[in-house]
Amino acid sequence: EAGVAQSPRYKIIEKRQSVAFWCNPISGHATLYWYQQILGQGPKLLIQFQNNGVVDDSQLPKDRFSAERLKGVDSTLKIQPAKLEDSAVYLCASSFTAKATDTQYFGPGTRLTVL
Amino acid sequence: AQSVAQPEDQVNVAEGNPLTVKCTYSVSGNPYLFWYVQYPNRGLQFLLKYITGDNLVKGSYGFEAEFNKSQTSFHLKKPSALVSDSALYFCAVRGQTNFGNEKLTFGTGTRLTIIP
Repeated sequence: EAGVAQSPRYKIIEKRQSVAFWCNPISGHATLYWYQQILGQGPKLLIQFQNNGVVDDSQLPKDRFSAERLKGVDSTLKIQPAKLEDSAVYLCASSFTAKATDTQYFGPGTRLTVL
Repeated sequence: AQSVAQPEDQVNVAEGNPLTVKCTYSVSGNPYLFWYVQYPNRGLQFLLKYITGDNLVKGSYGFEAEFNKSQTSFHLKKPSALVSDSALYFCAVRGQTNFGNEKLTFGTGTRLTIIP
């Protein structure tokens, strides 16, 4: 089966510009996650969707980050305006359900560089 | 709050030797433990998980991990290392409490280098 798809793979922007990332989860997976992975660290959850509803966005910097999953399938994460500290890899993951025991499968990530 | 510790930033092993990548955890409720591997410029690939039952879990590419509740550890092991095992390895934990599921929390990663 096809894995989690993400685009673009790489993005370079100036600070204060905006950027958007796209994710298409594994077919049939109801739960979708966005993670931020800063160099030298493990991934950190930004937001979790269950179908088209938000389950957990407690660690999303809502003054500049937004995410949506309007039809309960693919999702977009946006940053506006970007700061230097937003430079990171943004990983999308999906799982069949939101159960704690379900495996999360990750996409290849988008590497964002903010200059 | 739950947490994961990977005490070694870097592990070097000669090809053909057994390898161990260490992980300890702290969590309220039942611990669900995962290992992922990350190759350069790629996302995380799932290796194995512990949910319940047998403390020795077998996973992909010949890897296995041993859950030790008394030591709150979940070390990753392989009997004979391959050069292709060189990568960044992440341990992660997700707890389940009466209030719901915790988020998946990752360690800081261990870079494994297999020396030919």
